[in-house]
Amino acid sequence: DIQMTQSPSSLSASVGDRVTITCRASQSISTYLNWYQQKPGKAPKLLIYAASSLQSGVPSRFSGSGSGTDFTLTISSLQPEDFATFYCQQSYSTPLTFGPGTKVDIK
Amino acid sequence: QVQLQESGPGLVKPSQTLSLTCTVSGGSISSGGYYWTWIRQHPGKGLEWIGYIYFSGSTNYNPSLKSRVTISVDTSKNQFSLKLSSVTAADTAVYYCARGRGFSVAFDIWGQGTMVTVSS
Repeated sequence: DIQMTQSPSSLSASVGDRVTITCRASQSISTYLNWYQQKPGKAPKLLIYAASSLQSGVPSRFSGSGSGTDFTLTISSLQPEDFATFYCQQSYSTPLTFGPGTKVDIK
Repeated sequence: QVQLQESGPGLVKPSQTLSLTCTVSGGSISSGGYYWTWIRQHPGKGLEWIGYIYFSGSTNYNPSLKSRVTISVDTSKNQFSLKLSSVTAADTAVYYCARGRGFSVAFDIWGQGTMVTVSS
């Protein structure tokens, strides 16, 4: 199985901050990497697919980059509605696996 | 637009079979190119992929659950279903159905999730 790790596991940030979350795969996954945002009690929401493509309807302050084993999700200017937990997910091979999540809360 | 809705018992006894259904509305489950998927989330934990059924009818399951999982589709009802046999307390979780698309199997549409508790 491909193991996904994320760093940091949590962070505190202020509105307007630039936030970067890192996801690392245990082996190369090309760009088979997706990012999700989950708020408490809600289903995850797709933000970025194929490492860097913005899902329709998602604000442009969200961006993704990377290939191979190392990936980043960047929020250029954190907004109040962005406080949530973020997950990466690989689809290079089954079983599909998710990272453990990064919780972003208010400083 | 396409929407997904899970349904099924919220309480299942140990050793019994968990059965959930996902109803697809606003589009046809027979539309090409989609992976109709089940994902679960243990309380306070991360996301675990259970498996999917492709629009062609082929299935792919998580090896950690493969011996106990069956995912099937009923095109006449525009639904797909999950059966998980021989459940234990470790199967207590929120179960989501989701639609995966594209080469990156990105889950772009999710149901709201349904909590299933395994307890006697």
